[in-house]
Amino acid sequence: GAGVSQSPSNKVTEKGKDVELRCDPISGHTALYWYRQSLGQGLEFLIYFQGNSAPDKSGLPSDRFSAERTGGSVSTLTIQRTQQEDSAVYLCASSLGGSGGAGNTIYFGEGSWLTVV
Amino acid sequence: GEDVEQSLFLSVREGDSSVINCTYTDSSSTYLYWYKQEPGAGLQLLTYIFSNMDMKQDQRLTVLLNKKDKHLSLRIADTQTGDSAIYFCAERGGTGGFKTIFGAGTRLFVKA
Repeated sequence: GAGVSQSPSNKVTEKGKDVELRCDPISGHTALYWYRQSLGQGLEFLIYFQGNSAPDKSGLPSDRFSAERTGGSVSTLTIQRTQQEDSAVYLCASSLGGSGGAGNTIYFGEGSWLTVV
Repeated sequence: GEDVEQSLFLSVREGDSSVINCTYTDSSSTYLYWYKQEPGAGLQLLTYIFSNMDMKQDQRLTVLLNKKDKHLSLRIADTQTGDSAIYFCAERGGTGGFKTIFGAGTRLFVKA
């Protein structure tokens, strides 16, 4: 597609429920990232996928968080047993590759706003 | 670990220059970026600089890199109300590998 597409754009869920957030990266981009932005905070790295390599999960805050990337394209971020502190904007981004190139720019989606009540 | 720090707020008058500062800790960073986030929108790349450069100019934007002090700045000339946004500094290619580390963002207010 023309840009990184995320869905849903807004999600309100009850505490304790599971949620799935979807990301469709730019066509041809092999690298995909998930970040979290809490109110008034910077961007917190969650997970990074590059091609067929094992993902870098070092930023996932707890074992309630997991992510998959199927067929090297679409990714799903799953949050199990949501807590109020999970409320944030979840941003997906993609880039052409993991390294090299003129900056290898990361392009962001508009985010999925998650509110846990 | 890697860290990127920025001041949280900056207020300028329309027509003045804005200077947003950033410091980072990873001396092996290879790329440094400035992203802009407008209200309710995702992040948009403004400009980037490779670590072997000390300055890059792009229209109203000037990026200065002091690698010795690990200090990056973004200067916006003739600031307009449409420049009001959050500006994020980011670095990659250092010890974090391909992971891009972002600062907390500087919220720029432009007064008419």
